[in-house]
Amino acid sequence: DAGVIQSPRHEVTEMGQEVTLRCKPISGHNSLFWYRQTMMRGLELLIYFNNNVPIDDSGMPEDRFSAKMPNASFSTLKIQPSEPRDSAVYFCASSFQSGAGELFFGEGSRLTVL
Amino acid sequence: KNEVEQSPQNLTAQEGEFITINCSYSVGISALHWLQQHPGGGIVSLFMLSSGKKKHGRLIATINIQEKHSSLHITASHPRDSAVYICAVKKDSNYQLIWGAGTKLIIKP
Repeated sequence: DAGVIQSPRHEVTEMGQEVTLRCKPISGHNSLFWYRQTMMRGLELLIYFNNNVPIDDSGMPEDRFSAKMPNASFSTLKIQPSEPRDSAVYFCASSFQSGAGELFFGEGSRLTVL
Repeated sequence: KNEVEQSPQNLTAQEGEFITINCSYSVGISALHWLQQHPGGGIVSLFMLSSGKKKHGRLIATINIQEKHSSLHITASHPRDSAVYICAVKKDSNYQLIWGAGTKLIIKP
């Protein structure tokens, strides 16, 4: 079985540009999480979807960040406009049992905003 | 005080040594996760525990619910075990994970 698939793996962009990160969760999983990892703050939960519905977006830093899950097999995290402080590794993770099951992470998308 | 504390923060050992990483927590939990992250790499789930003990290859994880403590053991450690090991707990009736700060393990050949 394919794991959680994220793209792109690496993105370098200039300040002010729009960035879109993509995630395909494991088939059958009904929970999807977006995390951000930085050296300073470690892993931070940005948003949690259950059955494609956003349940908790309190971790989304500000209005520049938005996330969608149009169907059970695809989610996007968009940053517009991007800023240098958004540079981080963004992880997508999925699980079943509405988050009570084991968590499976993607390889991450390393974002650098110049 | 953090709700999840890991120790040690850093650990360097020789190949072949028995490794123990500890995780203590102060909240009621429904499950505890151990995860591994190699430098510059993705995050891999090693174990999810709610009681007792689990074993996978050279890795063993135990949890004592009464003492609010879990340990991750690595037998016959190998340089490829060098990674950051992260403990995370899932609070009762909540999807949120509370993350430990991680233990950076280096195994020297």
